Amino acid sequence: EVQLLESGGGLVRPGGSLRLSCAASGFTFSSYAMDWVRQAPGKGLEWVSAIRDSGGSTYYADSVKGRFTISRDNSRNTLYLQMNSLRAEDTAVYYCAKPTRGITVGLDWGQGTLVTVSS
Amino acid sequence: QSVLTQPPSASGTPGQRVTISCSGSSSNIGGNTVNWYQQLPGTAPKLLIYDNNQRPSGVPDRFSGSKSGTSASLAISGLQSEDEADYYCATWDDSLNGVVFGGGTKLTVL
Repeated sequence: EVQLLESGGGLVRPGGSLRLSCAASGFTFSSYAMDWVRQAPGKGLEWVSAIRDSGGSTYYADSVKGRFTISRDNSRNTLYLQMNSLRAEDTAVYYCAKPTRGITVGLDWGQGTLVTVSS
Repeated sequence: QSVLTQPPSASGTPGQRVTISCSGSSSNIGGNTVNWYQQLPGTAPKLLIYDNNQRPSGVPDRFSGSKSGTSASLAISGLQSEDEADYYCATWDDSLNGVVFGGGTKLTVL
């Protein structure tokens, strides 16, 4: 059974940084691309970033490009999202997700971690 | 404003069949497969349909998906009270080089 456990969320001031982690189990982590998707309070889903299985290629939404960095450690079965220059509009639940195939097709989701950007 | 357009709400009575539409363009739905997600209140999204019409194991066959041109649809037959949730379509967008989601449809079972 696929299990994805996010951690690292919390309260951070505007302009601050935070690193999210996602511990994966139940599948061969190094064989799959991985994604981050977020959901602002009371709003819809917004894709944030994706990374290929080897980590060699990364993809970002325009809203986070240049501020967020996705990475992975296949030896630790862990996905990361380094978030810098955080803004109030980055406040959201951040979900780690595993695609069924490809980079982003048919995502299986973790339970999410809440990031609140506020002074 | 979402790249993919969904009706904000839909409703039906138990046992009824309801459909939810998702409209896009040639750069997204027109050239890529569509996925559908269900989000029950207070929970993480769950994969319902991938590659336009494929159901993951464990998803009842009451749920079905289809795609034609730049539009896609999710159909739910034999509607049940536990189907009351938010439903999102999603696909890759070749112009944006990223995933785009619909704004979500809130399904109410009357």
